Amino acid sequence: GENVEQHPSTLSVQEGDSAVIKCTYSDSASNYFPWYKQELGKRPQLIIDIRSNVGEKKDQRIAVTLNKTAKHFSLHITETQPEDSAVYFCAATLTGSARQLTFGSGTQLTVLP
Amino acid sequence: EAGVAQSPRYKIIEKRQSVAFWCNPISGHATLYWYQQILGQGPKLLIQFQNNGVVDDSQLPKDRFSAERLKGVDSTLKIQPAKLEDSAVYLCASKKLEGGGQPYNEQFFGPGTRLTVL
Repeated sequence: GENVEQHPSTLSVQEGDSAVIKCTYSDSASNYFPWYKQELGKRPQLIIDIRSNVGEKKDQRIAVTLNKTAKHFSLHITETQPEDSAVYFCAATLTGSARQLTFGSGTQLTVLP
Repeated sequence: EAGVAQSPRYKIIEKRQSVAFWCNPISGHATLYWYQQILGQGPKLLIQFQNNGVVDDSQLPKDRFSAERLKGVDSTLKIQPAKLEDSAVYLCASKKLEGGGQPYNEQFFGPGTRLTVL
């Protein structure tokens, strides 16, 4: 089955700096990669996703890049703000199959004011 | 639209006791998931339903966990008897069936039930 590894487990940045979180996946057939943000005590919420037919996707200060050859994808947050502080999870799956989302272990991002 | 509802939000029980969690998905969402999220880890799928049928329960510890979605809407997850290692947040999520060219629809999560087993 799919295995997703996520690094780093914790990340502290100064407000205004950029943050990068990286994930690797094991199954080359996976073709859908969402990222979820989970604030303390709250539910995970989808913030951005990417499909394997594109290499990069951007939404305001958030971007995701995908390297299918190396089987890794990354979340980039620019101009970080204190409200970006949360746990971020990556996930991977193969759409149209019975496979489910496999989640990474999460990254605790802390943006220091 | 209303989100995924779960209850209770918190539950503390002794080991070997039983506990049940309830989930009401977003209206019209045929697919429902139960996840277990242990502190410091990502959500781990326990069971997936499509309408009232089980699609995947390969990671459900069936000797103690059970789940049902009898009318294809609300779902309950039960643990009997509970063990210390069952302490976790139990998340319910739902999504629409794919169709109309959509390869994968977003999963919407509920607020979770935090279970503590003493």
